[in-house]
Amino acid sequence: DQQVKQNSPSLSVQEGRISILNCDYTNSMFDYFLWYKKYPAEGPTFLISISSIKDKNEDGRFTVFLNKSAKHLSLHIVPSQPGDSAVYFCAASAWASKLTFGTGTRLQVTL
Amino acid sequence: GAGVSQSPSNKVTEKGKDVELRCDPISGHTALYWYRQSLGQGLEFLIYFQGNSAPDKSGLPSDRFSAERTGGSVSTLTIQRTQQEDSAVYLCASSPDARTDQETQYFGPGTRLLVL
Repeated sequence: DQQVKQNSPSLSVQEGRISILNCDYTNSMFDYFLWYKKYPAEGPTFLISISSIKDKNEDGRFTVFLNKSAKHLSLHIVPSQPGDSAVYFCAASAWASKLTFGTGTRLQVTL
Repeated sequence: GAGVSQSPSNKVTEKGKDVELRCDPISGHTALYWYRQSLGQGLEFLIYFQGNSAPDKSGLPSDRFSAERTGGSVSTLTIQRTQQEDSAVYLCASSPDARTDQETQYFGPGTRLLVL
C-alpha cells in the first residue's frame, strides 16, 4: 500500500529551464510534506517543506505547491542547474510521526 | 557536531552474525528515527525514539531487529543473526521534538550494510 507515490522514476531537463517533480498521496491524515534531495552514497538532504494549511511555499529557486483536494504536491526548481541532478524524494507525515516516502525521481539537468 | 553522524559508514558481515549500527543525532534533538533503503526501494521507516522511549516500533521487520537509545542522545540499531535480505542502507534522522507538529527530520549519511 503505497501512500506516497512518485510516478515518474526519472526526469531530464535542460539547464536554465524549469524542473517540475510530482508527488501524489492517499492518506488524508498527512499534514506536513517535505522534499529531500539525495546524492549517491549520502543521506537525504532536506530541501523544502509545506504545511497542509498552505498551498505554496517558496525558498529561492525552490517552490512547493500543495493541492489538498487532489492530494497532490509538486516541487518546482527554477532555473535548473547541473548541481540539481540528484534523486528527489517526496515525504509526508501525520502529526509529528514517521515520514512516509515516495520511491524517488531521478532528475538529470543537462547542459 | 553540526549534523547527524552514523558509524560505521560501511559494514560487510557474514550471514548469521550480529551487527550494531550507531547514530549520533544533532545536539539537542530529542526525536531520533531509523529508516532503511533497500536496493531499488524507497526509504522505509523502522523505529523512532522520543527521548529514550520508543513510541513507534511498527517498522521493525522482525524480532531480530532491536534498537535502544541512552541518555537521550546516541542510539544503536542491532540486527541479530543477519540475513542477506537485511542488506540495505540504514539511515538515522533526528528532529527537535517529535511531540511538536511538523518537525523537519535531518538525516545522517547512512550505514551501508552488506550481508554475504
